[in-house]
Order: sequence, then structure tokens, then C-alpha cells
Amino acid sequence: SQTIHQWPATLVQPVGSPLSLECTVEGTSNPNLYWYRQAAGRGLQLLFYSVGIGQISSEVPQNLSASRPQDRQFILSSKKLLLSDSGFYLCAWSVHNEKLFFGSGTQLSVL
Amino acid sequence: TQLLEQSPQFLSIQEGENLTVYCNSSSVFSSLQWYRQEPGEGPVLLVTVVTGGEVKKLKRLTFQFGDARKDSSLHITAAQPGDTGLYLCAGNSNSGYALNFGKGTSLLVTP
Repeated sequence: SQTIHQWPATLVQPVGSPLSLECTVEGTSNPNLYWYRQAAGRGLQLLFYSVGIGQISSEVPQNLSASRPQDRQFILSSKKLLLSDSGFYLCAWSVHNEKLFFGSGTQLSVL
Repeated sequence: TQLLEQSPQFLSIQEGENLTVYCNSSSVFSSLQWYRQEPGEGPVLLVTVVTGGEVKKLKRLTFQFGDARKDSSLHITAAQPGDTGLYLCAGNSNSGYALNFGKGTSLLVTP
């Protein structure tokens, strides 16, 4: 069966510090991978998606970036965090643009 | 980006009551999905509707896709405290790689 791992679960970072969130998927090949951000229990904002290794599409311009160094690994990064980067970050995967399977999320607080 | 409007934003009811939440758009979707999210966790898929006019039932939950495939509703019969959560609808256009989410309906069912 397929599983998705996302870590860390919570993170507190000072403004201006770097960020690296990692997500890995097991049990499937060549999945579509996604990073979403959710503010205060509300709707999900799509940040990045990837249909293959090294292929990243950005939906919202910001100081975040994403990389897919391996088929089932998706990384969200920032060189310098802003206060507005605080939120709940969710990684997800899908096959053929159908239903999404989400990780358990990372609650990021930038102070 | 296709906009999905969900209503109401918040709903607080007592155990045993019935409720309906709505998901509306001006765009046509090839499919619509409903997810439920509990605090601190990722959303979990409840159902996917793909055919205009389609009705799907999941125990006490009834999902309907509009004839024109622009809207959907979720009806819960005899709500229970375990139904508490954020209900999100998401749609995929014919050409999109990623799902677009509504802002959700936050449901609280009190004993």
C-alpha cells in the first residue's frame, strides 16, 4: 500500500532563517506531488506541483521554492523566512490528477 | 484558476440534526471531490463525483453533483460529534494538473 511521510510535524523558526520541509512517498511510482499551504484551518492554497523528477510548477510567486531530486521525494525550501510564511504546510500525491492523498502536515511558526 | 465558493463558512449544530453544505463555481469541472479534515491533520478524501446529476451515499452522508457540473452539495443526516471537522470541496478542470480547493465549511456537532 502507498504511504506518505512528511516531517517535521511542527517547526518554530526565526524570521530570516532558512527552511527545509521534506516529503516522501512509498508504494507508488512517478506520482504527481504537491505542496499546499493552509492558513488557520481554512482552504488550501496550492504552492507547487511536480509531474516528474526535476519538473516543478509554481502557482504562487513568493520566497519559497520546491525541488524534486528523486521520483518520490519532494522538498519545500526557503532561504529567508518571512512572518507571512507561517502556516500549515501539506504535502500530497496523486496519480493521473485524481484524488489526493495528504501527509499529516507541518505546522510552521515564524517568529 | 477556477474559484470554488463554499457555504456556510461555519456551522454549529446539535447532535441529531440534519445539515447541508454547498460548493459552487462558475466553472465546469470534470470531477468534484469532498474531503474532511480534522485539526492538525491532512484532509482525507470522502468521495469523488464525476457525472452531472450524480448522487453518492456514504452512510449518513449524501453527495450530489449538479447537472451542469458546476456545483455540489453534501447533506448529513442525524449529525454526530464525530462528524465535526472542516469539509473541503475540490475541483479539477479538464486541463488542470492540480485540484483547486474551496475555503471549506467548518462544522461543529455538539452532544
